[in-house]
Formats: sequence, structure tokens, C-alpha cells
Amino acid sequence: DAKTTQPNSMESNEEEPVHLPCNHSTISGTDYIHWYRQLPSQGPEYVIHGLTSNVNNRMASLAIAEDRKSSTLILHRATLRDAAVYYCILSYSGGGADGLTFGKGTHLIIQP
Amino acid sequence: GAGVSQSPSNKVTEKGKDVELRCDPISGHTALYWYRQSLGQGLEFLIYFQGNSAPDKSGLPSDRFSAERTGGSVSTLTIQRTQQEDSAVYLCASSLAPIKTQYFGPGTRLLVL
Repeated sequence: DAKTTQPNSMESNEEEPVHLPCNHSTISGTDYIHWYRQLPSQGPEYVIHGLTSNVNNRMASLAIAEDRKSSTLILHRATLRDAAVYYCILSYSGGGADGLTFGKGTHLIIQP
Repeated sequence: GAGVSQSPSNKVTEKGKDVELRCDPISGHTALYWYRQSLGQGLEFLIYFQGNSAPDKSGLPSDRFSAERTGGSVSTLTIQRTQQEDSAVYLCASSLAPIKTQYFGPGTRLLVL
């Protein structure tokens, strides 16, 4: 059973910001929110993760709702190389395999 | 440094044969994960190893699937009596510890004829 829900696909234009939503209404207080992306014919790669506060790194920003039931991955200026499937997953802080369900993710299409 | 490596990169086998897929995690990573990805689908968790603890096998789809991790490093996923529905990309990932960033290998593309 998927613990996160994401739109199947989104489309954006090159050099514009992209906001990728993720709902996780059953999140528990100890679940971390992770984002990965998978480029065509490659394994997934880490993008960003957070617990409660918004996070920024060189790839993206993560905005987490105050009630933590949703989050948004923000790509500030999309490029063609950002076209990929983006996965939002929850990772239980106690470790183990709980929450390691990637689902189908959001297929991001970038138009030149 | 070296990332996660998997071998073979591609494997074609006949229905009913056994296959072994290998994963070399990043040195020092205590957690190792196996996933399966069918065409156009998301990742399906198969099995998880953490240090010397007993592996979490809750994702293995049938008793034809098994995995070992020797010396806390290299892992082998074995599929016995392969079926056509086993055709998929098998991905391995490792991390320093649970909940830490997972680093994925390039995957093994398995085709069962």
C-alpha cells in the first residue's frame, strides 16, 4: 500500500520553476520525506530529504506543509536534463524496510 | 569513489532456469536493498539487509526468490525456476545506515523467454 500519492505526470517549460506535489496524509511523526528521481535507463538518484523544516540544496528545494501531510519538490529553473520520474517516499526513522514503497512517481516532461 | 555496481548488466534466460544477480555496494555501507522495476512501473521493494541483523524478506514475491549478503558486503539475489513474469530490471541500493540516502546501482535487466 502506497503511503504517498503523486500526479502521474506533469509538464513544464525549460527555464521555468517546477512544483511537484506529494500527499502523505498518513505520515507519522518519525517519517522522513525523501525525493528521488530516475532518468531514462538509469537507477534512481537522491534529490533531497527533510523531516519538518523546508530544505534547500544545489539540486532543489523541499517545502513541507506545517501539518506534514504534504510536501512539494521545487526545481527553481528546469532544464531538459531534469526530465525524469520523480519519486516521493517516506522513510521510517527506526530503520527497516517500512515505507520503502516508491510507487509510480511523477513523470516530469520538460518542453524546450 | 566507486558507486554501487551490479552484474550482469543484462541477462537473458529461458523459463525454468535459475539466475544469480550480483550487487557490490559502496564500501562501508551497512544497509543494502534490492528492488524490482517492471516496465513502466515504480520500484517494488524485495529485500533489505542491515548489518548483521536478519534480513527483511517481506517484499520477496515468492519462495523462488532468495538473497544473501556475504561478509556484510556483496549480495546475491537468486531467482529459481524463472518465469516470464520475472522479467524486469533488478536494482540494488546501499546506504550508510537506515533512512540515510540510498545510492542505486545501474540495475540488471532480466529477460525470461
